[in-house]
Amino acid sequence: DTAVSQTPKYLVTQMGNDKSIKCEQNLGHDTMYWYKQDSKKFLKIMFSYNNKELIINETVPNRFSPKSPDKAHLNLHINSLELGDSAVYFCASSHILADTQYFGPGTRLTVL
Amino acid sequence: SQKIEQNSEALNIQEGKTATLTCNYTNYSPAYLQWYRQDPGRGPVFLLLIRENEKEKRKERLKVTFDTTLKQSLFHITASQPADSATYLCALTDSWGKLQFGAGTQVVVTP
Repeated sequence: DTAVSQTPKYLVTQMGNDKSIKCEQNLGHDTMYWYKQDSKKFLKIMFSYNNKELIINETVPNRFSPKSPDKAHLNLHINSLELGDSAVYFCASSHILADTQYFGPGTRLTVL
Repeated sequence: SQKIEQNSEALNIQEGKTATLTCNYTNYSPAYLQWYRQDPGRGPVFLLLIRENEKEKRKERLKVTFDTTLKQSLFHITASQPADSATYLCALTDSWGKLQFGAGTQVVVTP
């Protein structure tokens, strides 16, 4: 059983489009995250949710909107995609904030 | 500002030798430090967590030290194997409770 899963694994789209990435964890964790890893491989936190509530919101354009329908799911919706949004996006979960992170396989987003 | 520094150059090492990676930090007062491994095309995988009151932690062929005076952690892979080739990331909790990652050091173990 996959602990943290993301879909899709690859996403290729045109500038200006809107897209979503889905994440699910079956670890029973209370906290979930979205990270962005750019071309230089630097992993940076974007958002964190605890029990469906947003607790960390980094300096991310408001075109990015996370949604947590329940504590096992955290989706990321991106409006008006730009070239600079191209990166690998990782979902992660942990028991409590900043505890050991369990990462999903990543979604490689390419904006053309 | 808070900063985490890891060697940006890849560490090339011969099989069987010990690989030593460094993680230096500034303006953090971490209660603990974590190390992760990332393989190409995959998400990071947790390896070890060491607390501020622990000098050393071991897990199989891995050893981590944590010196809060020097503000440094060392990560050792003993008897390295080609399967150990990956990027290794250290991570610290910042003042706001967020986990921050270093840029990672790539390790290449050659037979």
